[in-house]
Amino acid sequence: DQQVKQNSPSLSVQEGRISILNCDYTNSMFDYFLWYKKYPAEGPTFLISISSIKDKNEDGRFTVFLNKSAKHLSLHIVPSQPGDSAVYFCAATTYNQGGKLIFGQGTELSVKP
Amino acid sequence: EAQVTQNPRYLITVTGKKLTVTCSQNMNHEYMSWYRQDPGLGLRQIYYSMNVEVTDKGDVPEGYKVSRKEKRNFPLILESPSPNQTSLYFCASSWGQTLPYEQYFGPGTRLTVT
Repeated sequence: DQQVKQNSPSLSVQEGRISILNCDYTNSMFDYFLWYKKYPAEGPTFLISISSIKDKNEDGRFTVFLNKSAKHLSLHIVPSQPGDSAVYFCAATTYNQGGKLIFGQGTELSVKP
Repeated sequence: EAQVTQNPRYLITVTGKKLTVTCSQNMNHEYMSWYRQDPGLGLRQIYYSMNVEVTDKGDVPEGYKVSRKEKRNFPLILESPSPNQTSLYFCASSWGQTLPYEQYFGPGTRLTVT
């Protein structure tokens, strides 16, 4: 049972436009969410996170939105740059899980010049 | 430089030949974990360790073993590899039960079992 789902395997966006990556989860106990970025031949790197007590967290061009009632989070990248082309994974955990992360399947973002 | 290292980066082996993938971190992290990445399935946890001598199964532990004799090292052992263990493997570490929860990942080990 996939508790964290990224239903779009790929997304293509023009440089300078907004990229929106989506993630849904089924476990209402999740209370902390993270986004990771992965380039080919490298390990995933942490991008941004959000606690369930917030509905938005911003870091430069990256903003994560959390809709707890819909069990949905999204990552917005504005403006998108060719260097943002990568696979993005969302992950979820609970405060009492000792750091165990449940990952989605990933979305491959391609930003075209 | 804070990092997680894995060796080897690439490995081709044959069915049944025991192998070990090493993982080491220099951040004094309590928590370490192994994942495998397969197309369409994302990252799935194999085993994790909350601290030295404390290990537990993740979501896909069959066919794997781990040990945590020292805080910095967390090797992954395949006693008798099979072709369905062909995958991309990542080791990760973090502070574990305290914020921040973000895990730091190694560069990956691409394993092919023929």
